[in-house]
Amino acid sequence: DAKTTQPPSMDCAEGRAANLPCNHSTISGNEYVYWYRQIHSQGPQYIIHGLKNNETNEMASLIITEDRKSSTLILPHATLRDTAVYYCTASYNQGGKLIFGQGTELSVKP
Amino acid sequence: NAGVTQTPKFQVLKTGQSMTLQCAQDMNHEYMSWYRQDPGMGLRLIHYSVGAGITDQGEVPNGYNVSRSTTEDFPLRLLSAAPSQTSVYFCASNTGLGNSPLHFGNGTRLTVT
Repeated sequence: DAKTTQPPSMDCAEGRAANLPCNHSTISGNEYVYWYRQIHSQGPQYIIHGLKNNETNEMASLIITEDRKSSTLILPHATLRDTAVYYCTASYNQGGKLIFGQGTELSVKP
Repeated sequence: NAGVTQTPKFQVLKTGQSMTLQCAQDMNHEYMSWYRQDPGMGLRLIHYSVGAGITDQGEVPNGYNVSRSTTEDFPLRLLSAAPSQTSVYFCASNTGLGNSPLHFGNGTRLTVT
């Protein structure tokens, strides 16, 4: 699994886009980039994943650089309910010996 | 589908007591894993299983035992609880394929006094 690095915290104004970066410079060609979020102390929730191409779903967009060494999770119109810790992981298989980093604590402010 | 179910939600133990945290999934997932999360910290992998009868250690396995006798269940045993094991424990599962995200349970909050 590739090691991931994220900023420990970020702020975002409500209604604005939240752009959360993740560095995974040692990622291998078959490793996916996955994003999860954890609200309060609930179980982490899957958001989105991608391999090479940019991806979008109803929750967020994922932009992966062409060299795949970094990615950005975009919450297009952040709400107060998006305040959470966001984790980025990079691995072929999310099961097995998957190591999580410290994540980014996103605070959405009114 | 209930997804990943963890019981109990809360537990208080005295030092030296033993207990089993239960985890069950109804999605026919091959892979299951246990994480612990301490206050202000990220998730740390305790043990994981890639299928019935197969388990392996994660980052912080000491003090914990696991077994996987069925695909559905992956219990975590504390043989002699210590205050350092006070934490929130999460169980997760997925199919084991590359395109499969982890599904997490809602956690068990354990306090050891």
